[in-house]
Amino acid sequence: DSGVTQTPKHLITATGQRVTLRCSPRSGDLSVYWYQQSLDQGLQFLIQYYNGEERAKGNILERFSAQQFPDLHSELNLSSLELGDSALYFCASSVEVAGGETQYFGPGTRLLVL
Amino acid sequence: AQSVAQPEDQVNVAEGNPLTVKCTYSVSGNPYLFWYVQYPNRGLQFLLKYITGDNLVKGSYGFEAEFNKSQTSFHLKKPSALVSDSALYFCAVRDNDRDDKIIFGKGTRLHILP
Repeated sequence: DSGVTQTPKHLITATGQRVTLRCSPRSGDLSVYWYQQSLDQGLQFLIQYYNGEERAKGNILERFSAQQFPDLHSELNLSSLELGDSALYFCASSVEVAGGETQYFGPGTRLLVL
Repeated sequence: AQSVAQPEDQVNVAEGNPLTVKCTYSVSGNPYLFWYVQYPNRGLQFLLKYITGDNLVKGSYGFEAEFNKSQTSFHLKKPSALVSDSALYFCAVRDNDRDDKIIFGKGTRLHILP
């Protein structure tokens, strides 16, 4: 158990809908990362937050957005969902923002868009 | 642009034999390099990282990796493979001098044959 929690574990929705994925980092970790894993695209870095501020941005679509709240949990919002958004979404947390820190991953949220 | 290549989709090794999973990278600045493992139906786990210093990095579960700047490689190795090492392995690079994006290789599936 990494100490990172993600909810929900599974999510089934329809095209065009909007969903919110939630991540709670390990106690004391200030950085949260979001990743997408799909058969087509492989593992992709989406975005990183550090202590509430956006720190680094990867291949995150404009239809997707994220934020980190004062209690350090983070949410990833996916809107206007398409079939291709079906994937496993991971979050990870780490202590520092320096870039070389060890990340601890949550179990993921499996999203299926029908 | 930064990139990571894992040239082998799959590697088969007999139990007890040494294993190598290859990774080469391309970044414009100084790289931070990582290896992660994903066991079936489970999330990602950190194995090891290279930030600076000694080129030989030791990590979890007896794995190690050697940073080779001239060959821009960061191959993952283990002296004696276990059946339990069978999993999907990802190499990742972060260019800390530029945009802090994290790029993953497409993954290598390691099969350890009993």
